Amino acid sequence: GAVVSQHPSWVICKSGTSVKIECRSLDFQATTMFWYRQFPKQSLMLMATSNEGSKATYEQGVEKDKFLINHASLTLSTLTVTSAHPEDSSFYICSGVHRPYNSPLHFGNGTRLTVT
Amino acid sequence: KQEVTQIPAALSVPEGENLVLNCSFTDSAIYNLQWFRQDPGKGLTSLLLIQSSQREQTSGRLNASLDKSSGRSTLYIAASQPGDSATYLCAAANTGNQFYFGTGTSLTVIP
Repeated sequence: GAVVSQHPSWVICKSGTSVKIECRSLDFQATTMFWYRQFPKQSLMLMATSNEGSKATYEQGVEKDKFLINHASLTLSTLTVTSAHPEDSSFYICSGVHRPYNSPLHFGNGTRLTVT
Repeated sequence: KQEVTQIPAALSVPEGENLVLNCSFTDSAIYNLQWFRQDPGKGLTSLLLIQSSQREQTSGRLNASLDKSSGRSTLYIAASQPGDSATYLCAAANTGNQFYFGTGTSLTVIP
């Protein structure tokens, strides 16, 4: 089955630093990738949608200058949390979808970010 | 905006029981609906995908139904096992393939 590899699985960083999370589709071309965030005991919340080669579309309330998303190829999307603060501590999950668009989403294993 | 609700929030059953998880959504104009399983601290595993034109999908002990007109989907798990213990999420997708997730049902199957 389709595999999405997300790296790192966990990261601890100091307040004010930036963290990059990678999401790779290993055996399919992810024309669209989604980034989600999950706070404890809450549901997954869609942060942004990125299509290969174009700018990401951010959900309302998500700061595009803080959460930089790059989807430069059909197999790689990155999320960079810039100037991280403790309130950015969360579980971030990416997912990818390949043609046709009615296929199941495939998720990475997530990244646990802790900002101290 | 699509809102997805799951009931119950938590469920505990003895091993071997059949159970039903419920998912409701506010906007019936969905493209498809998907059920996922999430183990603690892990990513999501896709269980079943139901297209908007379908009524149900089956995989092993799992059966998912979809009723667009009433805005409901159910996930039926037959003969539950301790390994089924996890959080189950449903997600409704719009035509832009953006998924909106419910808050999940935490299932515990007691040996």
